[in-house]
Amino acid sequence: QMQLQESGPGLVKPSETRSLTCSVSHGTLGTSSYYWAWIRQSPGKGPEWIASIHYTGSTYYNPSLESRVTISSDRAKNGFSLTLRALTVADTAVYYCASHSAHYSRGRYLPNWDFDVWGRGALVTVSP
Amino acid sequence: QSVLTQPPSASGTPGQRVTISCSGSTSNIANKAVYWYQCLPGTAPKLLMYVNDIDERASGVPARFSGSRSGASASLAISGLQSEDEADYYCAAWDASLNAVVFGGGTKLTVL
Repeated sequence: QMQLQESGPGLVKPSETRSLTCSVSHGTLGTSSYYWAWIRQSPGKGPEWIASIHYTGSTYYNPSLESRVTISSDRAKNGFSLTLRALTVADTAVYYCASHSAHYSRGRYLPNWDFDVWGRGALVTVSP
Repeated sequence: QSVLTQPPSASGTPGQRVTISCSGSTSNIANKAVYWYQCLPGTAPKLLMYVNDIDERASGVPARFSGSRSGASASLAISGLQSEDEADYYCAAWDASLNAVVFGGGTKLTVL
């Protein structure tokens, strides 16, 4: 059973840049079958999708966050990362990494939005 | 304010059938697959099913969970309600106007 594990900075100060990493075990990042995603959930709110990446390099970003985030993958480490810039208190949340399936259409792999495997989550607190 | 609208709470007694609604628009639910997630306290969301022309449950999800869609609204039904069903439930869909996956605000289900 594939497992995902987030690692992140914990406590950060406003305006800083930080990265979170997701390690994939019992599965391989370099499979055409999956996209890899970051999703966050602030206290008392619903989940918010941030970004997704396929091993071919195809990426999707939430337009509301796109200017401040970058998703990347590292097949050698079998993991993927999220870099968040210009952090504010509003970015305080539990950050989850997740996988979702892909389908092949018109020459490329497109995502289905079925986030089926999730990590346990990493709390990122932005505070002065 | 979430793009997908869910009632904040729902409740039922053991054995009852409960329905949770999710209201969207033509840019999301009406033309895209709808996904339902269950979130137990302190845990990551769990994919329950997706609803498109038909509903399909994720692996291991019991048959008493079912879903439907009509126009720009979707519903999750839980029959034979059990105490372990007490959780937060979220709907989600791709929104073609926002170019993003959007989630509902969530429905807290209480088993009385």
